[in-house]
Amino acid sequence: AQSVAQPEDQVNVAEGNPLTVKCTYSVSGNPYLFWYVQYPNRGLQFLLKYITGDNLVKGSYGFEAEFNKSQTSFHLKKPSALVSDSALYFCAVRDRVNTGFQKLVFGTGTRLLVSP
Amino acid sequence: DAMVIQNPRYQVTQFGKPVTLSCSQTLNHNVMYWYQQKSSQAPKLLFHYYDKDFNNEADTPDNFQSRRPNTSFCFLDIRSPGLGDAAMYLCATSLTQGANQPQHFGDGTRLSIL
Repeated sequence: AQSVAQPEDQVNVAEGNPLTVKCTYSVSGNPYLFWYVQYPNRGLQFLLKYITGDNLVKGSYGFEAEFNKSQTSFHLKKPSALVSDSALYFCAVRDRVNTGFQKLVFGTGTRLLVSP
Repeated sequence: DAMVIQNPRYQVTQFGKPVTLSCSQTLNHNVMYWYQQKSSQAPKLLFHYYDKDFNNEADTPDNFQSRRPNTSFCFLDIRSPGLGDAAMYLCATSLTQGANQPQHFGDGTRLSIL
């Protein structure tokens, strides 16, 4: 069975500093990995995904994530945080299988708080 | 802009009184999903449609039903809402069921039960 762990309930960072939101995963095969962001009273917005190829994936709003197979991690990063990045971030995984429906498995979410 | 639209954004109903939440999409995606999300927890998949094929998650209560009359619209029916059903309900779409497909979410309907 697949699972995702987001070890930090909350991450605090000052505006202008780099940020990292951690994610580790477990799948039986190879993963497809996703990051979503959720602002208050809004739905989830897709940020980026890892499918195959380059381990560094670039996404929306200046975010990027690095896939590390040996550490089974997919940490979300941004070089310079903005106050407007404050939101709830979800990592999600799907197993790469050839048949059948695989539901998206979400982590528990990490609240990012960027202070001015 | 192509998008996923949920109506209403806020819904209040009484304990035991049936309620219907709606979702429409202009993305022309084949798959539509319904999720339940409580108190900033991870969204929990209730069911999904692949075209007209309905797929229920094993742990979704019978109290929850869904209809998809056409490609663009999908409804969530809660037959007899209980206090534990108060939550944000999220509709999402994807082009196919492929595991590499990102899902596109609406802004949700927040359901309150009196």
